[in-house]
Amino acid sequence: GAVVSQHPSRVICKSGTSVKIECRSLDFQATTMFWYRQFPKQSLMLMATSNEGSKATYEQGVEKDKFLINHASLTLSTLTVTSAHPEDSSFYICSARDQASGSEETQYFGPGTRLLVL
Amino acid sequence: QKEVEQDPGPLSVPEGAIVSLNCTYSNSAFQYFMWYRQYSRKGPELLMYTYSSGNKEDGRFTAQVDKSSKYISLFIRDSQPSDSATYLCPRDGSSASKIIFGSGTRLSIRP
Repeated sequence: GAVVSQHPSRVICKSGTSVKIECRSLDFQATTMFWYRQFPKQSLMLMATSNEGSKATYEQGVEKDKFLINHASLTLSTLTVTSAHPEDSSFYICSARDQASGSEETQYFGPGTRLLVL
Repeated sequence: QKEVEQDPGPLSVPEGAIVSLNCTYSNSAFQYFMWYRQYSRKGPELLMYTYSSGNKEDGRFTAQVDKSSKYISLFIRDSQPSDSATYLCPRDGSSASKIIFGSGTRLSIRP
């Protein structure tokens, strides 16, 4: 199957700093990528839809100025957590839709990035 | 009412047993049905997907959809400890092709 990578896999930062997480589709092109957040023992919560070449679409309750998304190419989307605080500590997961698969609903998930804000 | 209902478990069965995981959904407009598996501290992995009612088999896994009852199931034959994970039956999204996840069912296979 298609492969999606994330970098870094784990990051620890101080409160108030910004953290950038990369999501790459390695062997396919993705005009649309999705960013999720998952707290311990909870379900994945969709944060935003990342669209190549245009602005991201954020889910209700997600601050777009805090979670900056850039989808500059067909294989890369980045999520920047600005002025991170301890409550932003979570597991961030991206997914990418394989536009060539013939199935719009087929999405492949990255391995996740664990963020810890001290 | 949630659009997809799934028993969160945990469900614990002995190795080798047949596992049945179930979801019910309320929106008859759903066209696409998926099962994902998520191991602890990992991203979800697509197991199976189907558009139609009936059964779809892949190795030890069988996905079953009953659109008339709005009921979907995942059967795991000859279950293994490596099958221990959380199984998710998300609902498909709108035109944006979003996938919305519920809590999933935590499955534990005892050796």
